[in-house]
Amino acid sequence: EVQLVESGGGLVQPGGSLRLSCAASGFTFSGYWMSWIRQAPGEGLGWVANIKRDGGEKYYVDSVKGRFTISRDNAKNSLYLQMNNLRAEDTAVYYCARFRIVVAPNWGYFDSWGQGTLVTVSS
Amino acid sequence: DIQMTQSPSSLSASVGDTVTITCRASQAISNYLAWFQQKPGKAPKSLIYAASSLRNGVPSKFSGSGSGTDFTLTITSLQPEDSATYYCQQYDTYPLTFGGGTKVEIK
Repeated sequence: EVQLVESGGGLVQPGGSLRLSCAASGFTFSGYWMSWIRQAPGEGLGWVANIKRDGGEKYYVDSVKGRFTISRDNAKNSLYLQMNNLRAEDTAVYYCARFRIVVAPNWGYFDSWGQGTLVTVSS
Repeated sequence: DIQMTQSPSSLSASVGDTVTITCRASQAISNYLAWFQQKPGKAPKSLIYAASSLRNGVPSKFSGSGSGTDFTLTITSLQPEDSATYYCQQYDTYPLTFGGGTKVEIK
């Protein structure tokens, strides 16, 4: 069974940093692209970032480029999101998701999701 | 960016009804569309990909159709457990984008 467990969320002041982690199990982690998606309180879903199986390609939504960095450690079956210079509008539940490629080389959808971790940016 | 517009934003239907949710893309996306179900306080769950392909384990009461810019998700024989918010997502172009969601309530 695919399991994705996020951690690292919490309260941080504007301009601060936070690192989210996602522990994966139940599948061959190195064989899949991975993603972060967020959901602001009471709002819809928003894709944040994707990373290729070997970490060699990364994609970001414009609003986080230069502030967030997605990374992975295949030896530890773990996905990360380093978030710097956080803003109030980054407040959201952050979901880790497995990204299934449907159209080569890098298009697809999120086929398994973690339960999410809440990030609150406030002074 | 490709904008995904869902309608209606919410609907209320009775047990046993059939409901249809529409998702419209701001430009043609072939069949590169997925649908998700999210229940309150829970993570989204994948239902359909490639516009009409049902994921393993998803009941056949859910079906998707469409191509180009217009897509639909149909739920037949509506049950209380189908109460949720449904989202579409395009994967034709980065950035990947979602529709705003359709909240389905049971009368």
